Amino acid sequence: NAGVTQTPKFRILKIGQSMTLQCTQDMNHNYMYWYRQDPGMGLKLIYYSVGAGITDKGEVPNGYNVSRSTTEDFPLRLELAAPSQTSVYFCASSYLGLAGTYNEQFFGPGTRLTVL
Amino acid sequence: LAKTTQPISMDSYEGQEVNITCSHNNIATNDYITWYQQFPSQGPRFIIQGYKTKVTNEVASLFIPADRKSSTLSLPRVSLSDTAVYYCLVGYTDKLIFGTGTRLQVFP
Repeated sequence: NAGVTQTPKFRILKIGQSMTLQCTQDMNHNYMYWYRQDPGMGLKLIYYSVGAGITDKGEVPNGYNVSRSTTEDFPLRLELAAPSQTSVYFCASSYLGLAGTYNEQFFGPGTRLTVL
Repeated sequence: LAKTTQPISMDSYEGQEVNITCSHNNIATNDYITWYQQFPSQGPRFIIQGYKTKVTNEVASLFIPADRKSSTLSLPRVSLSDTAVYYCLVGYTDKLIFGTGTRLQVFP
């Protein structure tokens, strides 16, 4: 199993541009998550999904959109990039519940995004 | 908004035991506590998870008191390769709250 894969690894955007960060997992996990990590800080949850067709906002969803059309894929969309979105983005997946249940998350290697 | 709190940094020497504490107020009745390790330029990696009392695996132990308002990750006999940032994660109803992270530096 490849686990959780993310593309691209690095990206530089200009203000106002848009892009999609790709995330794929091959572990048949029902839950998937997107986090951002600013330099020297902890991870903050952007969006999560409990299954295909179901998504919900996390702690910092503004400026992002997600979709979950398949179990494997959970892309993150930035529509109008802003310098405040410069960060490292991590995708993760887990098999069981979001809260109140066993929740070991498997993380991808991250995408380093710079907005200039 | 409830949050978790950890020490910002800790120093240790090889072979010593390290204990890192996380405070988590308003933890929900059914929430679990999970610890992750993160090296530079990598995603976090699962270390251990527990609900109450003590849990032990091949790399760490997790101690959770009866009131569950805090937890302590114990790393026995650390080595240089344990130098990393350690996060506690607590499931809070509809949000996942990562701690601020504890930067552990292990010296020879």
